[in-house]
Amino acid sequence: SQQGEEDPQALSIQEGENATMNCSYKTSINNLQWYRQNSGRGLVHLILIRSNEREKHSGRLRVTLDTSKKSSSLLITASRAADTASYFCATDGDMRFGAGTRLTVKP
Amino acid sequence: GAVVSQHPSRVICKSGTSVKIECRSLDFQATTMFWYRQFPKQSLMLMATSNEGSKATYEQGVEKDKFLINHASLTLSTLTVTSAHPEDSSFYICSASQTGVFYNEQFFGPGTRLTVL
Repeated sequence: SQQGEEDPQALSIQEGENATMNCSYKTSINNLQWYRQNSGRGLVHLILIRSNEREKHSGRLRVTLDTSKKSSSLLITASRAADTASYFCATDGDMRFGAGTRLTVKP
Repeated sequence: GAVVSQHPSRVICKSGTSVKIECRSLDFQATTMFWYRQFPKQSLMLMATSNEGSKATYEQGVEKDKFLINHASLTLSTLTVTSAHPEDSSFYICSASQTGVFYNEQFFGPGTRLTVL
């Protein structure tokens, strides 16, 4: 079974809106990572949050981590059409991916 | 961040031939590398975990005799698709783990698109 499970599976928003996607995992972790993938391309590492961190920011990205609920969220603020991609989470020690969240940002 | 390369980026071959894909960590030593395959519009599926100097650990349902993995050095892992068939056509992606004092971080290669005719 997959370690990281993202939801929603698909999200469509207008440019300028915020996009929130969630990730749940099963086992204990040292860190959780978020990636994006443009269609047919490789993965790009976005952000890593450690198990002792609750929130982390990077530009327009905000990641939270709740180890008690084994869940994480990725917030993209002021979205742009270029943010259109699939987003995945993964945890250290178990690099199985969920289905990802396919984000579409309409101009 | 660290860089992982894959070669070739794209390969087209005839059915029955074998194809070797290389995954290199360019500026760090990777004790562990992961191989994935991805079908169009689907997520990445972990095929195997490759540890330097030891046999790869394959995920359930992945034929180890068909997908040969060799991790001969701390910077190179290879995946050989033996006797490839059209159903093996896919996007193959590797990742390498960089072990830090406080964390393990994965870096992904750009992927190899395999088309078997």
